[in-house]
Amino acid sequence: KQEVTQIPAALSVPEGENLVLNCSFTDSAIYNLQWFRQDPGKGLTSLLLIQSSQREQTSGRLNASLDKSSGRSTLYIAASQPGDSATYLCAVGGFQKLVFGTGTRLLVSP
Amino acid sequence: EPEVTQTPSHQVTQMGQEVILRCVPISNHLYFYWYRQILGQKVEFLVSFYNNEISEKSEIFDDQFSVERPDGSNFTLKIRSTKLEDSAMYFCASRGKISEQYFGPGTRLTVT
Repeated sequence: KQEVTQIPAALSVPEGENLVLNCSFTDSAIYNLQWFRQDPGKGLTSLLLIQSSQREQTSGRLNASLDKSSGRSTLYIAASQPGDSATYLCAVGGFQKLVFGTGTRLLVSP
Repeated sequence: EPEVTQTPSHQVTQMGQEVILRCVPISNHLYFYWYRQILGQKVEFLVSFYNNEISEKSEIFDDQFSVERPDGSNFTLKIRSTKLEDSAMYFCASRGKISEQYFGPGTRLTVT
């Protein structure tokens, strides 16, 4: 059974810092990995999708990497802004379903 | 930009009542999903649906739950007899040929 863990559970940084969020998973037989952003009481916004054959994906200030063999993914956020404050969820894709981690709650202070 | 929509945004119901949560997936998508998130907990997979049938379901998705695609645009989740522990945010998602799943804004279900 796939288990997904995210570290740290919470992170507080000043504006402008570069930061790394970590995701680990127990079963390396995955189809893909998605990173989401969730604002309080809101839905899930897809940030990046990495296919199992890929090593990384970039979108603007976000860069996500995937190392299937070690069961790890990282989300790198460059030059963080207060608007980046949210919970970031990692979700590992099997053939049909996504298995989610518990998330990292990020607070970026001005 | 196409998006998944869900109605209602908030549903309050009494224990034992039936509820239907509605979703309109992105129009050219073929795969549909329901997930739920109990307050403070992980997002959990409930069911996936493809070609008018369930393709996978979780242990949570017992006989009290059912899904339906009644027409070409809607996708519904029915809970026949709600329990207090069914209180959660329910998310609908869809995907096309590319495996990225797109989520709706959710329906907050409160069972009293």
